[in-house]
Amino acid sequence: EAQVTQNPRYLITVTGKKLTVTCSQNMNHEYMSWYRQDPGLGLRQIYYSMNVEVTDKGDVPEGYKVSRKEKRNFPLILESPSPNQTSLYFCASSSASRTQFFGPGTRLTVL
Amino acid sequence: AQTVTQSQPEMSVQEAETVTLSCTYDTSENNYYLFWYKQPPSRQMILVIRQEAYKQQNATENRFSVNFQKAAKSFSLKISDSQLGDTAMYFCAFMKLNTGNQFYFGTGTSLTVIP
Repeated sequence: EAQVTQNPRYLITVTGKKLTVTCSQNMNHEYMSWYRQDPGLGLRQIYYSMNVEVTDKGDVPEGYKVSRKEKRNFPLILESPSPNQTSLYFCASSSASRTQFFGPGTRLTVL
Repeated sequence: AQTVTQSQPEMSVQEAETVTLSCTYDTSENNYYLFWYKQPPSRQMILVIRQEAYKQQNATENRFSVNFQKAAKSFSLKISDSQLGDTAMYFCAFMKLNTGNQFYFGTGTSLTVIP
């Protein structure tokens, strides 16, 4: 089954404790993105990648890092999480058609 | 930066009726894609319909159709014969071509279908 998976689905952590949210797709897509969704703000793009080792900032990259060492994986790293990074996070992938397929989301709470 | 505006935070419609959700965008680009995504209570993001800016014909997908007005920078979604399963948040999204993979989403419209 074609899908985008994210782990973990739910995470509660404390300020300053480094964490990684994994994202993996099995569709051989070139393009991958990370978004955060906050009430009243819609989805905002954090980072995107156009292929292995090619990443760029989206609208809200501060406080986040990404890497794309393999085509299927695009982890999101929060090196020192803060409470304002409490949010619902989505990973998405697409082929050259640019129609994005989204993962199920990761609910992150930073205390 | 591009902006996408959805001016209707909440809407409701009677089952079997038709409803139109509005979306406007601001860009100086000529080549871009537009999308409508649905987010039901499960939080999963589901593609509803897409439109390429170079195509003059409005996209349709079963009960869903768009009214794409390029000069007015308007991209509304029409849902015909509304069903209870259409209850969801709907997001309009814009992507310009040839500049990487940047997407811009509106703030969403919460649609409730009333039995």
